[in-house]
Amino acid sequence: DTGVSQDPRHKITKRGQNVTFRCDPISEHNRLYWYRQTLGQGPEFLTYFQNEAQLEKSRLLSDRFSAERPKGSFSTLEIQRTEQGDSAMYLCASSTLLTSKDNEQFFGPGTRLTVL
Amino acid sequence: AQSVAQPEDQVNVAEGNPLTVKCTYSVSGNPYLFWYVQYPNRGLQFLLKYITGDNLVKGSYGFEAEFNKSQTSFHLKKPSALVSDSALYFCAVGGGYQKVTFGTGTKLQVIP
Repeated sequence: DTGVSQDPRHKITKRGQNVTFRCDPISEHNRLYWYRQTLGQGPEFLTYFQNEAQLEKSRLLSDRFSAERPKGSFSTLEIQRTEQGDSAMYLCASSTLLTSKDNEQFFGPGTRLTVL
Repeated sequence: AQSVAQPEDQVNVAEGNPLTVKCTYSVSGNPYLFWYVQYPNRGLQFLLKYITGDNLVKGSYGFEAEFNKSQTSFHLKKPSALVSDSALYFCAVGGGYQKVTFGTGTKLQVIP
């Protein structure tokens, strides 16, 4: 499968714990995006990378959130001191302007986080 | 700032009937418009996009969308609905090298 993959698919944690999610984009894609989707809502933009550079962060991304893409390939999203309000589906997407599918973001299956 | 509006939380349609899911957008400059579908416990799946060119865009699974610049709309359509089309549909603006802004989603229920 050459699509976007995310790990884990589900995560249950206790309030106050730290969690880390991983996203592996499509291999030739140089842009990588993180979104958050809460129940009954559309996905909301969190941040994106071009290669290893983080170019934009939403104000939704509080100080407890940090994202990295150290080698311009996979990315991690860490949430420190989780709160119940962090419970959501975290979606990763990737894109490129170098193929016939430019302007299209390909989404992974998401990581569903439940904070107890 | 870019935005999209999906005025209907839910659309019910009988199997075999045509369906329309509505979307209006607001963006400065030329819009990049998308429709995505989400099945339960699944990620978002791309259906179709409008970047430029013909106002009628054809996409996956028999869906199409009509771009109307004067009405700033990008409604999703299908001539004959299937029960398997029942899902959550999101209209979105942006994409490529821009962040995507999604609507709140419309639940499509196709009744056998």
